[in-house]
Amino acid sequence: DQQVKQNSPSLSVQEGRISILNCDYTNSMFDYFLWYKKYPAEGPTFLISISSIKDKNEDGRFTVFLNKSAKHLSLHIVPSQPGDSAVYFCAASNFAGGTSYGKLTFGQGTILTVHP
Amino acid sequence: GAGVSQTPSNKVTEKGKYVELRCDPISGHTALYWYRQSLGQGPEFLIYFQGTGAADDSGLPNDRFFAVRPEGSVSTLKIQRTERGDSAVYLCASSLMVAGLHTGELFFGEGSRLTVL
Repeated sequence: DQQVKQNSPSLSVQEGRISILNCDYTNSMFDYFLWYKKYPAEGPTFLISISSIKDKNEDGRFTVFLNKSAKHLSLHIVPSQPGDSAVYFCAASNFAGGTSYGKLTFGQGTILTVHP
Repeated sequence: GAGVSQTPSNKVTEKGKYVELRCDPISGHTALYWYRQSLGQGPEFLIYFQGTGAADDSGLPNDRFFAVRPEGSVSTLKIQRTERGDSAVYLCASSLMVAGLHTGELFFGEGSRLTVL
């Protein structure tokens, strides 16, 4: 039972354009969502997060949108840069405002390639 | 360095052997997690420590897997009678608590790649 799904295994984008990575979830108890970025032979690194009380969170070139009714979130990268090429994982947690712990459920990942 | 450190980075073993994987979390992080990432998949939760105790071991696949954190810092994941299906990257992560609340972000190590022949 895949509770967090990233249905696009890969995405190819031209430098300077927008990259949009999508993620769907099924567990309505999830209240905190994160995106992680992973380069080969490295561990995942935190990119951006969003609480279920918000529908948008922005950090520089990265924006995460959350649509709770559709159980869908997306990561927008504008403008995309070649250094953004990596695997992007969506993750979800039942975080309960910080009182719970960080047990994350990850999606399968999307390989982003940004061409110069 | 100041990040999560995992050793060994690569381990090749034969089916049936015993393996230990070590994790040294970021100093001051009381929460420690083990995840496992199989090829083409995202990381899957194995176990969570708060201090010295395993607060949630619901992700351990069977009783061949065991983890300890005796002094509340370094943790060791132990796998007995390894099987080919145990081959994966084992990731350790730690996180910070501020005023008793988790901050939500996990800091991952580079992982230990285990290959069981």
